[in-house]
Amino acid sequence: NAGVTQTPKFQVLKTGQSMTLQCAQDMNHEYMSWYRQDPGMGLRLIHYSVGAGITDQGEVPNGYNVSRSTTEDFPLRLLSAAPSQTSVYFCASSLSNSPLHFGNGTRLTVT
Amino acid sequence: AQSVAQPEDQVNVAEGNPLTVKCTYSVSGNPYLFWYVQYPNRGLQFLLKYITGDNLVKGSYGFEAEFNKSQTSFHLKKPSALVSDSALYFCAVRDPWVSGNTPLVFGKGTRLSVIA
Repeated sequence: NAGVTQTPKFQVLKTGQSMTLQCAQDMNHEYMSWYRQDPGMGLRLIHYSVGAGITDQGEVPNGYNVSRSTTEDFPLRLLSAAPSQTSVYFCASSLSNSPLHFGNGTRLTVT
Repeated sequence: AQSVAQPEDQVNVAEGNPLTVKCTYSVSGNPYLFWYVQYPNRGLQFLLKYITGDNLVKGSYGFEAEFNKSQTSFHLKKPSALVSDSALYFCAVRDPWVSGNTPLVFGKGTRLSVIA
């Protein structure tokens, strides 16, 4: 009964490094999304996908890339990390118009 | 464009008293509305939703919310607060009348503190 699994839980990067945040779901949900959570800002949508092979930008996509080669996986790539990308990142999935299921988050610090 | 506002950053209530967490929204048509709760170091958990039908929606842990179309509000309520209700609460909206699969837009969150 895994639901949405995010790895790693914590990560520290130096400015300019790249990394991939992993997200996997085992509920056969077609819709997946990435949010970042910052104090006083709520959750802001980075990228989302309505099915394998389809992705779209959210409110704050700059500096992030995504791909959706399978229904289960939706990785988020930081190409060149910046201190402004220090945040908590949440992946979520759902069936169409159903409530989102969230992972437990990845806490990223960029120094 | 769809948007949601939570006018209070923090709500304090005594245990056993009723609680209300406010939410107002803006969409072009009839909204889909959601409430989520976040406990420390965890992801968000779904509480309840309004899609259509009865304006009073009941959800998990004794929470309910009332959809008010004229006031464009969807306030979260509970008749008797528990200390364990202390958490961060998020309201979210989706406009189903916009073409395509528009994602959920979240408010900034309201921190609820229930004092024993």
